[in-house]
Amino acid sequence: VTLLEQNPRWRLVPRGQAVNLRCILKNSQYPWMSWYQQDLQKQLQWLFTLRSPGDKEVKSLPGADYLATRVTDTELRLQVANMSQGRTLYCTCSGTGGGGNTLYFGEGSRLIVV
Amino acid sequence: GDSVTQKQGQVTLSEDDFLFINCTYSTTTYPTLFWYVQYPGQGPQLLLKVTTANNKGISRGFEATYDKGTTSFHLQKASVQESDSAVYFCALPASSSFSKLVFGQGTSLSVVP
Repeated sequence: VTLLEQNPRWRLVPRGQAVNLRCILKNSQYPWMSWYQQDLQKQLQWLFTLRSPGDKEVKSLPGADYLATRVTDTELRLQVANMSQGRTLYCTCSGTGGGGNTLYFGEGSRLIVV
Repeated sequence: GDSVTQKQGQVTLSEDDFLFINCTYSTTTYPTLFWYVQYPGQGPQLLLKVTTANNKGISRGFEATYDKGTTSFHLQKASVQESDSAVYFCALPASSSFSKLVFGQGTSLSVVP
């Protein structure tokens, strides 16, 4: 059973252009939604956790700038700008509460800089 | 801060070989520890998790033991198959935010027939 639906699954991104990613939660049992990035060396790094509709956060990391928005209880968005190296962005969901919760990953949105 | 270290970037084995993937961690708490597996073209998925209460986790023939003394959480499997070829990540929740997982660098396992 798929818990998360991400789109696009991949995108060619001209250098300097921003791209918008979308993630839909299919199971309300796991309401905490997050974004993780995976770089070309496979390193996974947490970006954001957005728990409530209306939550919005920005972050700048080496190689990209991010703006994340929790649109509704089931929709999470991510704008990626100023990307200089390719990466894959994963949407995740988990239950509320302590750190023992399993993190469930979407299939990822792979971004390739051209 | 919290950190996870996997020293082996790449491991190549033959089918039926014994697998050992090293993982050590640093944290100020005693959190649940996780192993995730990522197959080609897919997102990571949980392989197993262990709390301090149960100390050892077993799943699909893989096992890992929570060792607070050596701050290690190594992954083992007695006999690997070609289908086990994947990237394996050790992880723990950040002390500052339980909703955030800190991952090791990943170990890429290739099993040749």
